[in-house]
Amino acid sequence: DAGVIQSPRHEVTEMGQEVTLRCKPISGHNSLFWYRQTMMRGLELLIYFNNNVPIDDSGMPEDRFSAKMPNASFSTLKIQPSEPRDSAVYFCASTLGRRFNQPQHFGDGTRLSIL
Amino acid sequence: AQKVTQAQTEISVVEKEDVTLDCVYETRDTTYYLFWYKQPPSGELVFLIRRNSFDEQNEISGRYSWNFQKSTSSFNFTITASQVVDSAVYFCALSWGAQKLVFGQGTRLTINP
Repeated sequence: DAGVIQSPRHEVTEMGQEVTLRCKPISGHNSLFWYRQTMMRGLELLIYFNNNVPIDDSGMPEDRFSAKMPNASFSTLKIQPSEPRDSAVYFCASTLGRRFNQPQHFGDGTRLSIL
Repeated sequence: AQKVTQAQTEISVVEKEDVTLDCVYETRDTTYYLFWYKQPPSGELVFLIRRNSFDEQNEISGRYSWNFQKSTSSFNFTITASQVVDSAVYFCALSWGAQKLVFGQGTRLTINP
């Protein structure tokens, strides 16, 4: 079975540009999570969705960040305009159901560098 | 507040040694789940184990074992007869009713040949 698929794997862009990260969750999973990993702050939850509906976006750092889930098999995380401090590895994860006992399955991440 | 502490930032051992990674958590919830994840040098996060707050039985899976003690709020992970392939960053995480995962800062484990 295919795991969580993220694209691109690496992104290098200049400050001020729009960045779009993409995620395809595991088929049948109805909860999706976006995380950011940095050396300073570790792994942080940015936002999560249940059945395509955003449930908690309290981790989204600023209005420059937005996330959407137009259908059960696709989600995007956008940064506009991007800044050097947004450089990090961004992970998408999915899980089955809405219960907190389910392990989250992670994609390989997108390594983002903002110059 | 929910919190996970992994006090060991880095551990380095020689192959075949046993090594224990410590995890201490804080929560006021009575129902919660604890997880361990592995992040190898390639960067992905791999789920290893889940334990619920009502099950204090230790678990063994091959060379891996986990010791859960509610009395000390700890969920420690031991690798027996370590191998070079075990080199990775290991994360302990806590989940409760909000369906959120709170991660510790991770322990970087290096197994030297």
